Amino acid sequence: NAGVTQTPKFQVLKTGQSMTLQCAQDMNHEYMSWYRQDPGMGLRLIHYSVGAGITDQGEVPNGYNVSRSTTEDFPLRLLSAAPSQTSVYFCASSYSITGELFFGEGSRLTVL
Amino acid sequence: AQKVTQAQTEISVVEKEDVTLDCVYETRDTTYYLFWYKQPPSGELVFLIRRNSFDEQNEISGRYSWNFQKSTSSFNFTITASQVVDSAVYFCALSDLIQGAQKLVFGQGTRLTINP
Repeated sequence: NAGVTQTPKFQVLKTGQSMTLQCAQDMNHEYMSWYRQDPGMGLRLIHYSVGAGITDQGEVPNGYNVSRSTTEDFPLRLLSAAPSQTSVYFCASSYSITGELFFGEGSRLTVL
Repeated sequence: AQKVTQAQTEISVVEKEDVTLDCVYETRDTTYYLFWYKQPPSGELVFLIRRNSFDEQNEISGRYSWNFQKSTSSFNFTITASQVVDSAVYFCALSDLIQGAQKLVFGQGTRLTINP
């Protein structure tokens, strides 16, 4: 199994550009989420989903949109990139509300 | 609010030494879960352990062991006879069950360097 797959792995954007980080999982997990990792701050939750058609905001949602049209996919959209969104982004999925998270390999985004 | 503190930002030891990574958490919940993840230099996040708040038994897995103490709100991680391959950033995390979903609250991470 591929697990959680994120694309792209690296991306450079200019301020104001938009883009979508793709996330797909093949484990039939209902729970999916996006985290960002910044130096000295651990990982912080951006958005999460408890199933197809259901999404909600996490700790740092501003500037990001998500949708969940299928169980497998959970894309993260940056509407108008800002330098403060320079970070490493991780998509994760879980089989249950109390289970461990399975993470993708991460996407490193730089906004100039 | 839930909070996880990993006071040790960086630790450096010589191979074969034992090393303990500290994790202190804050929560008002009576039911919660604690996790440890490893992030090697390659960048991926690797799950190490999950512990629920009702199980205070210590756990050992090979050279790894975990000491969970509710009385001090700590969930410390010890590597015995460390190896260079243990070099990584280690994150402690606490679950926050919100609206039918799970949010992990992460500590800042401890960068562990094992020198040959």
